[in-house]
Amino acid sequence: SAVISQKPSRDICQRGTSLTIQCQVDSQVTMMFWYRQQPGQSLTLIATANQGSEATYESGFVIDKFPISRPNLTFSTLTVSNMSPEDSSIYLCSVEGASGEYNEQFFGPGTRLTVL
Amino acid sequence: GIQVEQSPPDLILQEGANSTLRCNFSDSVNNLQWFHQNPWGQLINLFYIPSGTKQNGRLSATTVATERYSLLYISSSQTTDSGVYFCAVEGGTSYGKLTFGQGTILTVHP
Repeated sequence: SAVISQKPSRDICQRGTSLTIQCQVDSQVTMMFWYRQQPGQSLTLIATANQGSEATYESGFVIDKFPISRPNLTFSTLTVSNMSPEDSSIYLCSVEGASGEYNEQFFGPGTRLTVL
Repeated sequence: GIQVEQSPPDLILQEGANSTLRCNFSDSVNNLQWFHQNPWGQLINLFYIPSGTKQNGRLSATTVATERYSLLYISSSQTTDSGVYFCAVEGGTSYGKLTFGQGTILTVHP
């Protein structure tokens, strides 16, 4: 399976600021996704990061709040903009197409964000 | 969209006990995965199992796609098995998008 890294691993931010999270994969993958896990909750898909085009957002998530880039097949960024305490969550990227099972997904270690 | 329900929500065991976790889903799936989330938040892949039965050491899983459920079996549980177990599915037209259940919180006491 692919090795996935995320930066930063955790951060504490002030409300009103923005944070960009990076996701790096050690091999080219077809699909990359961003998920959010609010405290004590399950994971929710934010968007699909499309290489060379705009991300596809799920209901309840908008580009102005969560802009995403995917400049190539191994890298993506998620920005959490104009943060509020409600944005405190773990943000995880996932990849598909990196193993023998063609649509098995693997997750990065996550970025734990606290907004004060 | 597809609905995913996991049961039980919480499970407390003594070391050495066996357990069964269940995942029900509301529609046909292309993908079903079981994950273990450790205390540091890392999601560990346990099984990729859209159908059939697989075993890996003390863990095994069975998915009956026609009846829309999957089971995760943990035998001879250890304290290191503690954490949250998630079932996640990709619906027939979801193209890679995983929908997660609410998870089962497992606590194994020595």
